[in-house]
Amino acid sequence: GAGVSQSPSNKVTEKGKDVELRCDPISGHTALYWYRQSLGQGLEFLIYFQGNSAPDKSGLPSDRFSAERTGGSVSTLTIQRTQQEDSAVYLCASRFPGLASDTQYFGPGTRLTVL
Amino acid sequence: TQLLEQSPQFLSIQEGENLTVYCNSSSVFSSLQWYRQEPGEGPVLLVTVVTGGEVKKLKRLTFQFGDARKDSSLHITAAQPGDTGLYLCAGAGGGGADGLTFGKGTHLIIQP
Repeated sequence: GAGVSQSPSNKVTEKGKDVELRCDPISGHTALYWYRQSLGQGLEFLIYFQGNSAPDKSGLPSDRFSAERTGGSVSTLTIQRTQQEDSAVYLCASRFPGLASDTQYFGPGTRLTVL
Repeated sequence: TQLLEQSPQFLSIQEGENLTVYCNSSSVFSSLQWYRQEPGEGPVLLVTVVTGGEVKKLKRLTFQFGDARKDSSLHITAAQPGDTGLYLCAGAGGGGADGLTFGKGTHLIIQP
């Protein structure tokens, strides 16, 4: 596709349930990022994938959060045993390293609501 | 942890007025980016500033990077309703994770 896509666009779940959020980056972009945007809190970095290197997980807030990137393309962010404080918009971004710009291209996000 | 402080947090002005949004940090960044985000969408990059003291113009928007590369400003001249949105600054290259360090954003409303 022409841009980064994310699914679902909205997800409502009950406290304690697991959720999976999907990100399809721009074709050819080897770098992929997940961010969380809470109301009034700006964007919080979660995890970064670059090619076949081990991901940088330093931003994950707890061990309930994990992410995978299969085949260097699609990524899935999994939140286990969701809590109400997990409610936020989860944004994915991709980048093509090596270009002069550090431009990250963002998807539209998944709005997660934990009841 | 590097922090980027944006001010003001909220700004509502009339069409045609000028405004300035600030982004400040105690950390040095190799580059700083400004994004605009509309409801239901992801942030879209407006500009990247790299050199201390650099000034970039994008139509009615003027971006400046501080000499010490710790702060930046966004000035909008003759604001239009289409400028309404959330403006985010983000610093890169400050060490640590490769992800950008974002400010909390400035919610800008331009009233017709």
